[in-house]
Amino acid sequence: TQLLEQSPQFLSIQEGENLTVYCNSSSVFSSLQWYRQEPGEGPVLLVTVVTGGEVKKLKRLTFQFGDARKDSSLHITAAQTGDTGLYLCAGAPGGTSYGKLTFGQGTILTVHP
Amino acid sequence: DTAVSQTPKYLVTQMGNDKSIKCEQNLGHDTMYWYKQDSKKFLKIMFSYNNKELIINETVPNRFSPKSPDKAHLNLHINSLELGDSAVYFCASSQDSGGLDTQYFGPGTRLTVL
Repeated sequence: TQLLEQSPQFLSIQEGENLTVYCNSSSVFSSLQWYRQEPGEGPVLLVTVVTGGEVKKLKRLTFQFGDARKDSSLHITAAQTGDTGLYLCAGAPGGTSYGKLTFGQGTILTVHP
Repeated sequence: DTAVSQTPKYLVTQMGNDKSIKCEQNLGHDTMYWYKQDSKKFLKIMFSYNNKELIINETVPNRFSPKSPDKAHLNLHINSLELGDSAVYFCASSQDSGGLDTQYFGPGTRLTVL
């Protein structure tokens, strides 16, 4: 069974600060996705990283896939109150995985004005 | 237009009852999923169907039975509800069943078993 350890579980910061969320595993994933979920809604995909060492940027969000494809990070620069939400990483094992994503435990981010 | 819709949004019921949750997607996708999110926000896949065929069946009690009448619908029927079934259930869909395909989630159904 592949597991994803996500940290920290909770993050409370002031607007304008930077933050990093980590997603680690002892298993190799063929791809890793980051989702954001707002209260009362379903998760929404932010990015998919596929290649080891890959870095993707989405405005103030920077996503990195580890060289060994076992870990990933999400860095937010100059956080805004609109970034508040639950952030989830999810890994796909590859092969005939049939979209079977393994999710991390999630990071609840609160950005205070 | 809602891409993935679920009904009902909230479901409160007594232990031992049988209930169903319905899901519909209008994206033309081939694959649909059911996930369970517990009180700690942990999201875990339960089932997946591709073109009405079951392709993922995780370790879920057989009180849970998914049914896909067509590609656009995936319903979840739960028999003999237990307290531990209380959670938010999410339906999702993707174009195909590969790990790279974007999964689009519905708004969730909050099930509370009393």
